[in-house]
Amino acid sequence: GAVVSQHPSWVICKSGTSVKIECRSLDFQATTMFWYRQFPKQSLMLMATSNEGSKATYEQGVEKDKFLINHASLTLSTLTVTSAHPEDSSFYICSARETLTGTEAFFGQGTRLTVV
Amino acid sequence: AQSVSQHNHHVILSEAASLELGCNYSYGGTVNLFWYVQYPGQHLQLLLKYFSGDPLVKGIKGFEAEFIKSKFSFNLRKPSVQWSDTAEYFCAVNGASSASKIIFGSGTRLSIRP
Repeated sequence: GAVVSQHPSWVICKSGTSVKIECRSLDFQATTMFWYRQFPKQSLMLMATSNEGSKATYEQGVEKDKFLINHASLTLSTLTVTSAHPEDSSFYICSARETLTGTEAFFGQGTRLTVV
Repeated sequence: AQSVSQHNHHVILSEAASLELGCNYSYGGTVNLFWYVQYPGQHLQLLLKYFSGDPLVKGIKGFEAEFIKSKFSFNLRKPSVQWSDTAEYFCAVNGASSASKIIFGSGTRLSIRP
């Protein structure tokens, strides 16, 4: 199957700093990518839909100025957590669907963010 | 509103028991349905998927699921579970468009007693 790669797998940062997480579709093009957040022992909550070449669509309650999303190419989307606080500590997962077939979604391995 | 409901939050079974995890969805239009598994400390893995055709789909590791359109359900089954099936199971749904959102259920934690 297709591969979605996230980097880094884990990151620890200080409060107030910003962290960028990359999501790449390695062997297919993805016009649309999705960013999820997963709290311990909970389900994946959709944060935003990343659209190549245009603004991301954020879910209700997600601060767009805090979670900056850029989808500059058909294979790369980035999520930047700005001015991170301990409550932003979580597991962030990206997903991508192939532009042409658009059926199955493929998931990255996730990024564990810890803000201290 | 788009939603996925998994009624069983935590299921505990003995090895060799049969498994059925419930999943109901609310999503307008044509849907694709998925079951994902997340083993402790690992990322999501696709168990099986339904796009069209035979409503009974078979996935990896002996799992299967049946799409019943009239009941908006996509229950996951396995005739005989193993200790290694201990994991979190998520039902998910999205629309046919490549831009449509994937909505996840709250998950069911499956614990298998050896």
